Amino acid sequence: DTGVSQNPRHKITKRGQNVTFRCDPISEHNRLYWYRQTLGQGPEFLTYFQNEAQLEKSRLLSDRFSAERPKGSFSTLEIQRTEQGDSAMYLCASSLGQGRDGYTFGSGTRLTVV
Amino acid sequence: AQKVTQAQTEISVVEKEDVTLDCVYETRDTTYYLFWYKQPPSGELVFLIRRNSFDEQNEISGRYSWNFQKSTSSFNFTITASQVVDSAVYFCALSEAQGSGAGSYQLTFGKGTKLSVIP
Repeated sequence: DTGVSQNPRHKITKRGQNVTFRCDPISEHNRLYWYRQTLGQGPEFLTYFQNEAQLEKSRLLSDRFSAERPKGSFSTLEIQRTEQGDSAMYLCASSLGQGRDGYTFGSGTRLTVV
Repeated sequence: AQKVTQAQTEISVVEKEDVTLDCVYETRDTTYYLFWYKQPPSGELVFLIRRNSFDEQNEISGRYSWNFQKSTSSFNFTITASQVVDSAVYFCALSEAQGSGAGSYQLTFGKGTKLSVIP
């Protein structure tokens, strides 16, 4: 297992279009997180899955955002009707349990909305 | 609510100098975890250390050392004999064991400190 994988690495889209990102966590990790990072800021929590159940969502996650983790394996994050303010790096992280060995982050998907 | 403050936005040092990155946190929980991550230009966050609130023992790992002081709510990170490869953005983060909903242990990050090591 080579770590957390995110695709695509970069995505440029026109305002109003829908986009979907994928995250493949470390296979034995039961917890999966999505974070958003804007320029010059630290990552901000968006949502969290334990296995296939989405247990928590941040207030940052507007109705245009939806995340899934079918079968408790990979996860997708979809943004509908993208806005310029959605431009950011979207990071996925996974952990086994409470992250005693830290949370393993992927390289992120950089979204640019033009 | 939990909060992490990294007051140093950018630091530049000459190679082989020691450098300390400051981190101050706020939490109402008695049980919490503190982290440091490194983010090189490639963008991936690299885990460096995790500390729980009951363990104030300082830790050393090679050229890295961490000083955890609950009395001042600080968790500072020192790099000894810095190298060019240490150039990156470093993030301090906090997760609460009880304060976050549904036991998510979500991380709250500071804004990061950009370290530039000049050869």
